[in-house]
Amino acid sequence: GAVVSQHPSWVICKSGTSVKIECRSLDFQATTMFWYRQFPKQSLMLMATSNEGSKATYEQGVEKDKFLINHASLTLSTLTVTSAHPEDSSFYICSANARAGNQPQHFGDGTRLSIL
Amino acid sequence: DAKTTQPTSMDCAEGRAANLPCNHSTISGNEYVYWYRQIHSQGPQYIIHGLKNNETNEMASLIITEDRKSSTLILPHATLRDTAVYYCMNYGGSQGNLIFGKGTKLSVKP
Repeated sequence: GAVVSQHPSWVICKSGTSVKIECRSLDFQATTMFWYRQFPKQSLMLMATSNEGSKATYEQGVEKDKFLINHASLTLSTLTVTSAHPEDSSFYICSANARAGNQPQHFGDGTRLSIL
Repeated sequence: DAKTTQPTSMDCAEGRAANLPCNHSTISGNEYVYWYRQIHSQGPQYIIHGLKNNETNEMASLIITEDRKSSTLILPHATLRDTAVYYCMNYGGSQGNLIFGKGTKLSVKP
């Protein structure tokens, strides 16, 4: 079945550091990938939609200069949290849209980001 | 906003069938219903999806009412590892994304 790989699984770093998270579709091409964020005991909230070969679309309230998204190929999207601060600590999850017809999205295992 | 509503939590005895309901009275006639689950600290896992016919796979069965206003996910023999938050969703976002509601927290007890 469709597999989405997300790396790293967890990151602990100092405030002010930039952190890059990778999302790969392993056995299918994904023209669209989605980035979600999940705070403790809350549901997933969409941050941005990553489109191969074009600019990402950000949800209202998400700073595009802080959360840089690059979707350079049909199998890789990256999310870079720039100058991270403790309030950016969260669980970040990507999904890839292998939609042919109404096929389901598949999610990565998430990245736990902790900023000290 | 999510077009689906689910109970906040449910308990199920190990080995028994877990029946998780979902109301989706406002989805359109050509919108599929998707079920995912999220085990603690992991990404959501796809379970099953359907439009209007009942569906079954190796993980679960999906029963959709004839009027498509609701559906039920059935885990036929729940195990402790099925403890998770279960989400019933549709592709309703402006970007073609899934919209996550609060889901149902299923606790399977020995």
